[in-house]
Amino acid sequence: QKEVEQDPGPLSVPEGAIVSLNCTYSNSAFQYFMWYRQYSRKGPELLMYTYSSGNKEDGRFTAQVDKSSKYISLFIRDSQPSDSATYLCAMSARDSNYQLIWGAGTKLIIKP
Amino acid sequence: ETGVTQSPTHLIKTRGQQVTLRCSSQSGHNTVSWYQQALGQGPQFIFQYYREEENGRGNFPPRFSGLQFPNYSSELNVNALELDDSALYLCASSPAGGPFEQYFGPGTRLTVT
Repeated sequence: QKEVEQDPGPLSVPEGAIVSLNCTYSNSAFQYFMWYRQYSRKGPELLMYTYSSGNKEDGRFTAQVDKSSKYISLFIRDSQPSDSATYLCAMSARDSNYQLIWGAGTKLIIKP
Repeated sequence: ETGVTQSPTHLIKTRGQQVTLRCSSQSGHNTVSWYQQALGQGPQFIFQYYREEENGRGNFPPRFSGLQFPNYSSELNVNALELDDSALYLCASSPAGGPFEQYFGPGTRLTVT
């Protein structure tokens, strides 16, 4: 079993829809949780990071962490075609020098 | 402020050869991490450098080695290239005091034939 599980998709939704992307994990030591967006053949771009449990909002993006369930989510409101990309979750722990452990990424397609 | 840059963009090598990839970290960042990303997969951690010292290593053989220089730029060296080394190699830098927040370069796409 992988430490971080993420549905590879693709997930296809119409423009303007609310998108929900999720990851589950097995290591309870993870403290920092990140979401990256990666366009084809480009490096990942940091969207948001959160520490421990709770919610964090930034514009159209909301990140949620539920440590009791070992489950994190990224919500995108008013989705746009330019949001079409692969979304990767990553997480880290202090006792492993903050080495990032990644999900495989979910490919998201926003249809105009 | 200049972001993370990597060179070259693309590279084609033959099995058994050696390759050096380069990375310039973002201004103010003293930690550099290298990742290998195969097609359709998440990045895999190779190693991290903090103030010119290796500060953690993933499950990669010793033929993957690195350096960090006083200006915090970095190199990834791979010896005895194998076909499975074909991938996108990503460099990420982190600000001082915050290695959990990593900023990535565009990557170097290595093809081994």
